[in-house]
Amino acid sequence: QSALTQPASVSGSPGQSITISCTGTSSDVGGYNYVSWYQQLPGKAPKLMICDVSNRPSGISYRFSGSKSGNTASLTISGLQAEDEADYYCSSYSSRSTHWVFGGGTKLTVL
Amino acid sequence: EVQLVESGGGLVQPGGSLRLSCTASGFTFSSYWMSWVRQAPGKGLEWVANIRQDGSEKYYLDSVKGRFTISRDNAKNSLYLQMNSLRAEDTAVYYCARDHGYCRDYWGQGTLVTVSS
Repeated sequence: QSALTQPASVSGSPGQSITISCTGTSSDVGGYNYVSWYQQLPGKAPKLMICDVSNRPSGISYRFSGSKSGNTASLTISGLQAEDEADYYCSSYSSRSTHWVFGGGTKLTVL
Repeated sequence: EVQLVESGGGLVQPGGSLRLSCTASGFTFSSYWMSWVRQAPGKGLEWVANIRQDGSEKYYLDSVKGRFTISRDNAKNSLYLQMNSLRAEDTAVYYCARDHGYCRDYWGQGTLVTVSS
């Protein structure tokens, strides 16, 4: 059981927007602006998409955006493209002994 | 270009040991915290350990404390994970990652560790 809760799957059609939620507690997501999001294509290593809740690293498409409200962080992908089909993981710093926690991952399907 | 290349994975019996290595290039290795993150087959990501630039601070996942040791050799641009008393539940792909603030901005391709008799 993962420390952060994500929906197991989401789907959308090309051109649409989708949002993936990531729910934690005041000890992690709600307590710090240290939420990051990773994209993992099948058989590949994770790739950083969003850092510190809403910052996009260089080279990441503007179609990816992040936000947070209370204990829930969100990743929004606008203008869905077939190449966005992947697993997405959220992560947060935690004040608990674990230090770093991940969500269970969300499989995005582009219909 | 930043590159992280892991090695040292393989098949090991329960209770056995393995040492993973990660060789870094394309950046000043000694300036960054580094992490190990693992992924069990068909499962999600799990942070395992990280280490400060000079090796003076190390943090571990509770379930590996006392069994795993993270270390680094800045002269060799290398990160290590010594894994002892391995259990079946340690079976996973182990990724080396560069810490950038509170994110992990570059990841290696991973090395598979299988603990089985």
